[in-house]
Amino acid sequence: DILMTQSPSSLSASVGDRVTITCRASQGISNYLAWFQQKPGKAPKLLIYEALTLQSGVPSRFSGSRSGTDFTLTISSLQPEDVATYYCQKYNSAPRTFGQGTKVEIK
Amino acid sequence: EVQLVESGGGLVQPGGSLRLSCEASGFTFSVHQMDWVRQAPGKGLEWLSYISGSGRAMYYADSVEGRFTISRDNAKNSLFLEMNSLTVEDTAVYYCARTYQLPGPGHLDYWGQGTVVTVSS
Repeated sequence: DILMTQSPSSLSASVGDRVTITCRASQGISNYLAWFQQKPGKAPKLLIYEALTLQSGVPSRFSGSRSGTDFTLTISSLQPEDVATYYCQKYNSAPRTFGQGTKVEIK
Repeated sequence: EVQLVESGGGLVQPGGSLRLSCEASGFTFSVHQMDWVRQAPGKGLEWLSYISGSGRAMYYADSVEGRFTISRDNAKNSLFLEMNSLTVEDTAVYYCARTYQLPGPGHLDYWGQGTVVTVSS
């Protein structure tokens, strides 16, 4: 099975900072990678799909990129409402594995 | 408006069984692959299973293969997860989620609010 390694597990940044979260696949998954945001007590919310495509209604400060089997979620200017845990998920084939999650806090 | 509403969670003893349901509305249910995902308390998301729109193809995570069975009733716009031989490690919030249908693999675009399963004696 393909492993998804997400880093860091947590981060603390100031409002307005640029934040980067990485997900590495152990094998090629093409662009079949999604990013989700989850706030406490809530269901996950889709942010990015096909590695690069912003889901409708998601603020443009969120973006996704890919370099080989490395995928990145970037928040260009961190806002207080972005405090959440972020997960990547590969969906090229089963098992549709999630990364371990990254908890983002405000410094 | 797409809506997914899970039900059937509750308290069950180790070794017991439970059947979760997910009622879908606001879209053509039979077209979409559907997934189950769970989240243990304080832990990350764990993908469990998916079923094709027709119901003919199903896949499972190793952690639940042989104990959990996914099914669907397209006439009733409903998805199910039959869970047997439950252990305390199955305690979690269980979510159903819709796969956005494309020619090719699709991402999860809508999620239910989750139903809580607690396995305890």
